[in-house]
Amino acid sequence: DGGITQSPKYLFRKEGQNVTLSCEQNLNHDAMYWYRQDPGQGLRLIYYSQIVNDFQKGDIAEGYSVSREKKESFPLTVTSAQKNPTAFYLCASSIFGGNQPQHFGDGTRLSIL
Amino acid sequence: AQSVTQLGSHVSVSEGALVLLRCNYSSSVPPYLFWYVQYPNQGLQLLLKYTSAATLVKGINGFEAEFKKSETSFHLTKPSAHMSDAAEYFCAVSDRGNNRLAFGKGNQVVVIP
Repeated sequence: DGGITQSPKYLFRKEGQNVTLSCEQNLNHDAMYWYRQDPGQGLRLIYYSQIVNDFQKGDIAEGYSVSREKKESFPLTVTSAQKNPTAFYLCASSIFGGNQPQHFGDGTRLSIL
Repeated sequence: AQSVTQLGSHVSVSEGALVLLRCNYSSSVPPYLFWYVQYPNQGLQLLLKYTSAATLVKGINGFEAEFKKSETSFHLTKPSAHMSDAAEYFCAVSDRGNNRLAFGKGNQVVVIP
């Protein structure tokens, strides 16, 4: 079955440490997205990519970085510059086009030790 | 920029009663609208979408939503709540220009036996 795989499910970070969250899709989608979810805040867009080797900042990109070297993969790095990284992170993908729904992975929960 | 308002972060409904979740959007162009459901520690699953065809949209699990342009609304309903409907529900509007979704803050639905 096609889908989006996020790993790991749970991740712990020490102060001053960078961590990378993995997102892989086998849906052959062009567009991929990273969201951050905090209780009562809904989903906020961190970065998105509409094509390989290109990506754009979302609403809360500070302290995060991404790469898009392959169509199937869109890893997110949470850098030490992100002062409040504890959250649930969701990756999504879609066919390009505003009427196309986004498909979501099952998320990674990041916590600070 | 598009935006979505969902009022009432927590909604309690008795089993067998009507489920009504309200969504109002702000958009300068005809919107694409989506409802998603999220179960604990999982990603989002598409319930239904409006893409300028029929104004009454039927989705999965017995849910439906009606697009009302005059009221800038896209409320979600289900005639009879089931225990399995306990989850968080998000309304989202698409930015046609770049495939971005703007999410509401969500409604946590509790079903009372």
